[in-house]
Amino acid sequence: AQSVAQPEDQVNVAEGNPLTVKCTYSVSGNPYLFWYVQYPNRGLQFLLKYITGDNLVKGSYGFEAEFNKSQTSFHLKKPSALVSDSALYFCAVRDGGNAGKSTFGDGTTLTVKP
Amino acid sequence: DTGVSQDPRHKITKRGQNVTFRCDPISEHNRLYWYRQTLGQGPEFLTYFQNEAQLEKSRLLSDRFSAERPKGSFSTLEIQRTEQGDSAMYLCASSPRAGGPNEQFFGPGTRLTVL
Repeated sequence: AQSVAQPEDQVNVAEGNPLTVKCTYSVSGNPYLFWYVQYPNRGLQFLLKYITGDNLVKGSYGFEAEFNKSQTSFHLKKPSALVSDSALYFCAVRDGGNAGKSTFGDGTTLTVKP
Repeated sequence: DTGVSQDPRHKITKRGQNVTFRCDPISEHNRLYWYRQTLGQGPEFLTYFQNEAQLEKSRLLSDRFSAERPKGSFSTLEIQRTEQGDSAMYLCASSPRAGGPNEQFFGPGTRLTVL
């Protein structure tokens, strides 16, 4: 079985400050990890993924995420938040041996205040 | 627009009726996924196709649910004898097979309301 936990329903940060959205996962095989963002009335959009290699992956809109195998975490980060980053963020995991099922967390609402 | 499209965007039905949703993936993508999302939760996996073959099906997908992808292009998801608990957003996603583990491209979803 595979699972994802996003321990914070909501994260609030001030514009210009760094942000972190937390994600921990459980999977039996090698983890493939993804972050998606959902803006109001729009579909989920891919931000970044970790498959193998460098533990720090960079993605769209200045976001990055750090894979930590020992802590089974894949936290999303951005050095300087923008008001336009306010959205719902989902972490997802897929077992490397299974091309099908992805398991998503319940999402974290990020609010960036000016 | 060459993204994933879903039709209809909204569907209101009465309990006990059958409904069918359509998903058109990105044309060169051979993998297609269906998810269900309720308020406050992330997408829950329902089923997955590679070309026309349905390779995986969640236990969430009861006998009232069926999905097809007859020619390996568009897909339909049918719910028979709808129940109020079926009210949710139904999401379709597609991804290419080539190039390793790829992200999924999501459509806008079909919001189902069962009265």
